[in-house]
Amino acid sequence: QQPVQSPQAVILREGEDAVINCSSSKALYSVHWYRQKHGEAPVFLMILLKGGEQKGHEKISASFNEKKQQSSLYLTASQLSYSGTYFCGTESTQGAQKLVFGQGTRLTINP
Amino acid sequence: SAVISQKPSRDICQRGTSLTIQCQVDSQVTMMFWYRQQPGQSLTLIATANQGSEATYESGFVIDKFPISRPNLTFSTLTVSNMSPEDSSIYLCSVLRGSETQYFGPGTRLLVL
Repeated sequence: QQPVQSPQAVILREGEDAVINCSSSKALYSVHWYRQKHGEAPVFLMILLKGGEQKGHEKISASFNEKKQQSSLYLTASQLSYSGTYFCGTESTQGAQKLVFGQGTRLTINP
Repeated sequence: SAVISQKPSRDICQRGTSLTIQCQVDSQVTMMFWYRQQPGQSLTLIATANQGSEATYESGFVIDKFPISRPNLTFSTLTVSNMSPEDSSIYLCSVLRGSETQYFGPGTRLLVL
């Protein structure tokens, strides 16, 4: 079952914050976040393996609520380079290594 | 991370023909994956390729249509057989690094006329 991402698209001014959500109807073992710029490969951002785990990567961080089967990606003080489509990939079974990706959230950062 | 290359980077093919896509990694990896991404859409896993065993296909994908080879720990190929316009897509390989993280190649853009 494909996870659901929200919002589908967001437009920000440089310096503003954004939150991207990823919800699954199935219990999750892990959530993986990627950013893809147009015409390029998806780039790995971070992985969350435990319920409630929060990870940070520069001004990009994420949380994982295992009970709610949800993950959120936080982008703080957004930069122009943050523009792209963000995908969450979910894994339901430990060790299966099979990622099911959400439909993506298109983020546009304007100067 | 990993340095992954794919060939060809793009191609235009006639319906009914086949195209083989190559994926090369800069170091040995146990698991490689093939995904399809239709324009503006999400990524869909086609199959998992482990060296020394048959590829494992996801629902909706069959070996006759998408045969995969994995001759060694740094290389894999995906063939798109008997192509139709519906096969027009971006095909990406990914590799598993560490125990959990997948890194993607640059993709092959395929247009079938």
